[in-house]
Amino acid sequence: ELKVEQNPLFLSMQEGKNYTIYCNYSTTSDRLYWYRQDPGKSLESLFVLLSNGAVKQEGRLMASLDTKARLSTLHITAAVHDLSATYFCAGLQGAQKLVFGQGTRLTINP
Amino acid sequence: ETGVTQTPRHLVMGMTNKKSLKCEQHLGHNAMYWYKQSAKKPLELMFVYNFKEQTENNSVPSRFSPECPNSSHLFLHLHTLQPEDSALYLCASSQDGGTRIDEQYFGPGTRLTVT
Repeated sequence: ELKVEQNPLFLSMQEGKNYTIYCNYSTTSDRLYWYRQDPGKSLESLFVLLSNGAVKQEGRLMASLDTKARLSTLHITAAVHDLSATYFCAGLQGAQKLVFGQGTRLTINP
Repeated sequence: ETGVTQTPRHLVMGMTNKKSLKCEQHLGHNAMYWYKQSAKKPLELMFVYNFKEQTENNSVPSRFSPECPNSSHLFLHLHTLQPEDSALYLCASSQDGGTRIDEQYFGPGTRLTVT
């Protein structure tokens, strides 16, 4: 059974700094997803990573996937306050079951 | 309306009540999902429907009863719930391409409180 673990679970950082959220998963997963959730809101899809070595970037966020290490990373460059949210990674078990990590609550301080 | 909508957005119910959550997707997708998000656990898949047929029940107690009358609508019927069932219930949809799904799009959720 697929298990997904994120770290850190809480991250407080200053604007302008760089940081990385890590997502480890236990068994083979064909895809890796990253979602963002603002307080009281639903999940917004950020990235879908399909293959080993995949790298996707959107603004200050960059996600990568290493299927051999069973590791995905979400890198934040020069953080701004608007990026404060909870970030989830999820792996795919079977054809349709998304298995989510615990989430990383990111707070960016001025 | 566009995307995935859910009603009601907030619901408070007693343990003896019966209520239903509704989800509607306007994306032309053929798969729909119910997830539970509680404070102390990761987001958990509850049910999956493909083309109106239930294809996954993730060991959900029978006090939760899903219904999918067509590919655009999904309901979650609730009866004799427990306080620990208080959570955010999220609906999602995707286009099932056969062996693998496309990404899932989530609704805003229903915040359920069981008293």
